[in-house]
Amino acid sequence: AQKVTQAQTEISVVEKEDVTLDCVYETRDTTYYLFWYKQPPSGELVFLIRRNSFDEQNEISGRYSWNFQKSTSSFNFTITASQVVDSAVYFCALYYNYGQNFVFGPGTRLSVLP
Amino acid sequence: DTEVTQTPKHLVMGMTNKKSLKCEQHMGHRAMYWYKQKAKKPPELMFVYSYEKLSINESVPSRFSPECPNSSLLNLHLHALQPEDSALYLCASSQGGPQPQHFGDGTRLSIL
Repeated sequence: AQKVTQAQTEISVVEKEDVTLDCVYETRDTTYYLFWYKQPPSGELVFLIRRNSFDEQNEISGRYSWNFQKSTSSFNFTITASQVVDSAVYFCALYYNYGQNFVFGPGTRLSVLP
Repeated sequence: DTEVTQTPKHLVMGMTNKKSLKCEQHMGHRAMYWYKQKAKKPPELMFVYSYEKLSINESVPSRFSPECPNSSLLNLHLHALQPEDSALYLCASSQGGPQPQHFGDGTRLSIL
């Protein structure tokens, strides 16, 4: 079965704190892709990153970083020095080849307080 | 501003009405998607069009009828909806397969 779990339903932090959003996935495919999307209150989902199953290099983009570990089937997302504008729901998603379909995790609602 | 445009942004309709949601993209993407999202839930895939042909229908009730008039446009025709169909309807487009999807702002639909 293809499944994405985001165990943290809601997280609240104070501005400038670092925060890590967890994502654990399940798939029997050897070729798959993992994504993170941000959904601010306005509604649209904003693409943040895509990793394929053969590339375990961690990635940093400004204050954002991602840690992909196949050994634990995890693809965690860290925001460094959080800002109020980071407040949103964050979804981790899995694309698996045979289903040619996306599976979204349940999402984590992040609130960054001033 | 998003590159995928959805209209209208809000829609209130009765259960006997017929209405349509519209989605437009000009990024040359070959795949377009409709998702339904209930409050505090992730998006659920409804339909996928690839090269203007319906390729995936996730067992959606027939009161939802998709249409892809051309490669840039995607419609969702609504008829005889139920109160439980109230949700945010999101359109997305991509180059297909595992390529990132680009989402519109969505249409917030309320069924009275």
